[in-house]
Amino acid sequence: QKEVEQNSGPLSVPEGAIASLNCTYSDRGSQSFFWYRQYSGKSPELIMSIYSNGDKEDGRFTAQLNKASQYVSLLIRDSQPSDSATYLCAVPSGYSTLTFGKGTMLLVSP
Amino acid sequence: EAQVTQNPRYLITVTGKKLTVTCSQNMNHEYMSWYRQDPGLGLRQIYYSMNVEVTDKGDVPEGYKVSRKEKRNFPLILESPSPNQTSLYFCASSLSATGAYHEQFFGPGTRLTVL
Repeated sequence: QKEVEQNSGPLSVPEGAIASLNCTYSDRGSQSFFWYRQYSGKSPELIMSIYSNGDKEDGRFTAQLNKASQYVSLLIRDSQPSDSATYLCAVPSGYSTLTFGKGTMLLVSP
Repeated sequence: EAQVTQNPRYLITVTGKKLTVTCSQNMNHEYMSWYRQDPGLGLRQIYYSMNVEVTDKGDVPEGYKVSRKEKRNFPLILESPSPNQTSLYFCASSLSATGAYHEQFFGPGTRLTVL
């Protein structure tokens, strides 16, 4: 069983700070990685995908991938209260499924 | 608008009464999947389909059935629901199950309560 691990949190940051969310995975062969945001009671929404080592930036979001260490992280700059949500890391398992971590709850206080 | 739709959004039923949750996508996606989400357990895959007439079990398939007769539809069937199937269910689809094309898009969810 492929594993995707995330700290459940909550991670509390003040408004305007950088939030750093981490994810480790067990399958060394994984080639693509996804971050989803899920508001309470709502469906997961894809916010970032990353496929190669290094950083990928999209607005206030930066995904960082380190395949040698088998971790992927998500940085949220200038955090806003509207960023308060659970963030799910997802990694393909084999050729047919995505394995999701249990998610990290982020709380951004005004 | 590109989307995944699910119906019903909310359902309260009783043990043993067969039910179907529908899922439809309008993006011509090959891959579709069903998940359930429970507190503390995260998203767990029930069944998935790589294409029409191709389905396979996920991590928690017991008590569920699926079919994929058309590309756009992937209904989830509970033939004899039990209280332990009370959960939040999500349908998702992606272009395929390969690399970047495995970006999955989720439906709005169906909250099921089995009494």
